[in-house]
Amino acid sequence: AQSVAQPEDQVNVAEGNPLTVKCTYSVSGNPYLFWYVQYPNRGLQFLLKYITGDNLVKGSYGFEAEFNKSQTSFHLKKPSALVSDSALYFCAVRDLFNQAGTALIFGKGTTLSVSS
Amino acid sequence: GAGVSQTPSNKVTEKGKYVELRCDPISGHTALYWYRQSLGQGPEFLIYFQGTGAADDSGLPNDRFFAVRPEGSVSTLKIQRTERGDSAVYLCASSPSGASGRGEQFFGPGTRLTVL
Repeated sequence: AQSVAQPEDQVNVAEGNPLTVKCTYSVSGNPYLFWYVQYPNRGLQFLLKYITGDNLVKGSYGFEAEFNKSQTSFHLKKPSALVSDSALYFCAVRDLFNQAGTALIFGKGTTLSVSS
Repeated sequence: GAGVSQTPSNKVTEKGKYVELRCDPISGHTALYWYRQSLGQGPEFLIYFQGTGAADDSGLPNDRFFAVRPEGSVSTLKIQRTERGDSAVYLCASSPSGASGRGEQFFGPGTRLTVL
C-alpha cells in the first residue's frame, strides 16, 4: 500500500537558521510527491512538487525539497527560517492504486515552530 | 483570481441529522476532490470527480456519505444520519485536470463539522 511518513510531530528552529522537515514514502512505482502548508483556520497551500527530473525542487516562499530515491525520502528544506514560516506542513504522495490514480495520500503533518 | 470556496465554514448538528456541505471549485477546473481531516491527522481522501461523474468514490467510509456534482462545477457532500465520529474538517480541492495526477490540487478553507 502507498504511504507517507512524517517522523516528527514538531520541529523547532530559531529564526535565521536552516530548517528541515522530514518525509519518507512508500509506493510501488514512481512517486509523485507534494508538500503543502496549512496556516490556522485556512486551507492547505501548495508549496512544491516532484514529478520527474531534477531531484532538487524549488517552490514557494524560498522552500525547496530533495527527492532521494534510494532513501525514499522527500525532505523539505529552507536555508533561513522566518517566524512567519511557523505552520503545519504536510507531505503527500499520489496514490497509484487508487481507482483513478489521482488522489493524494497525506502524512500526519509536522508542526514547524520558528522562534525569534 | 477566486480560489476554492466552501460553505458553510462551520456546521454544528445533532446526531442523526442530515447535512450538506458545498464546494465551489476554481472556474474551469474539471477535477474535484473531497477529503476529511480529523484532529491531528492529515487529510484523507473521500471522493474524486472528473467533470460530472464520480471517477473514484473508494474513500467514502460508508453509504451514509454521498456526493454529487450535477453540472460539473459546484459539488455537494451529503451525510445522512450523522454520527459523532463524523466530526472533522471536510476539505474540497480542485485541479485543472485530474487525469495525469501531475498537477497540484488547490484546497478550499474547509467546513468544520461538529456532531453533538
